[in-house]
Amino acid sequence: AQTVTQSQPEMSVQEAETVTLSCTYDTSESDYYLFWYKQPPSRQMILVIRQEAYKQQNATENRFSVNFQKAAKSFSLKISDSQLGDAAMYFCAYLGGIQGAQKLVFGQGTRLTINP
Amino acid sequence: NAGVTQTPKFRILKIGQSMTLQCAQDMNHNYMYWYRQDPGMGLKLIYYSVGAGITDKGEVPNGYNVSRSTTEDFPLRLELAAPSQTSVYFCASSTRDRLPHTEAFFGQGTRLTVV
Repeated sequence: AQTVTQSQPEMSVQEAETVTLSCTYDTSESDYYLFWYKQPPSRQMILVIRQEAYKQQNATENRFSVNFQKAAKSFSLKISDSQLGDAAMYFCAYLGGIQGAQKLVFGQGTRLTINP
Repeated sequence: NAGVTQTPKFRILKIGQSMTLQCAQDMNHNYMYWYRQDPGMGLKLIYYSVGAGITDKGEVPNGYNVSRSTTEDFPLRLELAAPSQTSVYFCASSTRDRLPHTEAFFGQGTRLTVV
């Protein structure tokens, strides 16, 4: 079964600095998708960034970028120029491919605090 | 588009009561999911469905039941509510028809308290 592990329950960073959140996953599939979701206190789940496993190029979305290491099954999120609005819970998620179980599985989450 | 709609937003149940959490999506998505999120924790998959008439268990299915008679609706049934089922419940949907822009869309959540 696919599993997603986030080993950092909490992280903090100074405003305007850069922070990296870690995520590892376990799968036997070759085709899948990985996501980072943000959950502010409102509980809304907001997509931050996605990565297709067949793409070698790391995804970027403005200040957010990932380091996708397929062989190591690692998918970290880098937030550059951190802003107060980035404070939230961040979840790494795995979505199985067409040939797989097609489940959407989440990690335990990392609570990110931004210090002004 | 409304996206994913969950009802109710809040509910208090007494031990042993039953209820159904409703989830509807208007995006014609094949895949639908139910999660529970305990305080300060991640989302645990309860049940999921890959299409009408097809459902499967996730990590924590005990105490819950689902059905998927239509593409749009995916209700979650709690039978004999227990305090351990106090949690926030999220419904989500996704599709692979928009590859490579696949993502999951979430409802606003249902906060359930069992007393």
